[in-house]
Amino acid sequence: AQKITQTQPGMFVQEKEAVTLDCTYDTSDPSYGLFWYKQPSSGEMIFLIYQGSYDQQNATEGRYSLNFQKARKSANLVISASQLGDSAMYFCAMAGLRTYKYIFGTGTRLKVLA
Amino acid sequence: NAGVMQNPRHLVRRRGQEARLRCSPMKGHSHVYWYRQLPEEGLKFMVYLQKENIIDESGMPKERFSAEFPKEGPSILRIQQVVRGDSAAYFCASSQDSDLYEQYFGPGTRLTVT
Repeated sequence: AQKITQTQPGMFVQEKEAVTLDCTYDTSDPSYGLFWYKQPSSGEMIFLIYQGSYDQQNATEGRYSLNFQKARKSANLVISASQLGDSAMYFCAMAGLRTYKYIFGTGTRLKVLA
Repeated sequence: NAGVMQNPRHLVRRRGQEARLRCSPMKGHSHVYWYRQLPEEGLKFMVYLQKENIIDESGMPKERFSAEFPKEGPSILRIQQVVRGDSAAYFCASSQDSDLYEQYFGPGTRLTVT
């Protein structure tokens, strides 16, 4: 069975500092994808970054990077130079090649302090 | 190129009424997925449809819930005889034929049952 675990219900970070949001996963699929989504208070799901299980390099998208450690089954999101607009819920998700369903974690609520 | 569209964005129903949620996938996408997000939780898979076919409804409650994706028109998630526990955000996602990893999410419909 596939599972995503986010152990940090809430995080605080000072504006302009970097923050790491943790995500661990479990799957028996040999090929899978890992995703991070941002959900602001308005409720929509905003795609941030994607990492394929066979990608050799960690994914980066602007201020977002994914620290992918396959052996440890972790896919942590790093946000550099935090901004007030980064305050939101962040969800880690996974999809296996044979199971198209996205499995979501319970989320981390990030608050950026001025 | 419009994204995934959902309507209504907010829906209020009294207990016992029916709720109909609509989802128009992105242009060229023939795969639709419905997810439910209960308050303070992550998204959970409900059902996966292709045009005129239900592929996987394993996450959908057996009673009162149904989904369709007709040849023409949007996908519909229908909840009959709503109860307070149905109050949630319902997200639709779509993908192209050959890229099941990449699901594009709509803005969601927030259902409130009074």
